[in-house]
Amino acid sequence: DQQVKQNSPSLSVQEGRISILNCDYTNSMFDYFLWYKKYPAEGPTFLISISSIKDKNEDGRFTVFLNKSAKHLSLHIVPSQPGDSAVYFCAASAPYNQGGKLIFGQGTELSVKP
Amino acid sequence: EAQVTQNPRYLITVTGKKLTVTCSQNMNHEYMSWYRQDPGLGLRQIYYSMNVEVTDKGDVPEGYKVSRKEKRNFPLILESPSPNQTSLYFCASSLRGQGIGTEAFFGQGTRLTVV
Repeated sequence: DQQVKQNSPSLSVQEGRISILNCDYTNSMFDYFLWYKKYPAEGPTFLISISSIKDKNEDGRFTVFLNKSAKHLSLHIVPSQPGDSAVYFCAASAPYNQGGKLIFGQGTELSVKP
Repeated sequence: EAQVTQNPRYLITVTGKKLTVTCSQNMNHEYMSWYRQDPGLGLRQIYYSMNVEVTDKGDVPEGYKVSRKEKRNFPLILESPSPNQTSLYFCASSLRGQGIGTEAFFGQGTRLTVV
């Protein structure tokens, strides 16, 4: 079963507007949530994270929001730039008794058009 | 420069021919893992290692082996590759396996085709 889900395979946004990428999870024991960005022919790179005890974390143009009651997190990119075009993976840090591993969603491909 | 290095980047092989994909990190990380990326399925963990000589299965371990004889290296072994192992593989390392320091550093990937 998919514990971390990104239900939108793709998203297209105009340059300068806001991009909102969504992620849902099922395991209430996840303690950290992370977003990774992946360009073609490269490995994923870490973008931003949030602890399960917080509801918002901001880093420049990137903000992650966590709604624990809804088991939902989102990544906001404002303003969006063409260089943000990539695949974005949501990930959750599993509890220690599950190996403390990262569990990834399916990814959302963001296209920012000039 | 902090990095995770995988080799080879591209590999085409035939069914049943044993192969090894190497992975090395220079950050003295304890935690290393292997993932495969398939369309519509995201990144799925194959095996992980919490430290030297400590390895365990991830979500899709069938058909794979790993070893962790030293901290920096974590090779992925396919004893008898099959076409359903055609995929894009990533090695990753992180300071720890849980919570703070979970941010993983990924290699550039190995695209494997088994014919």
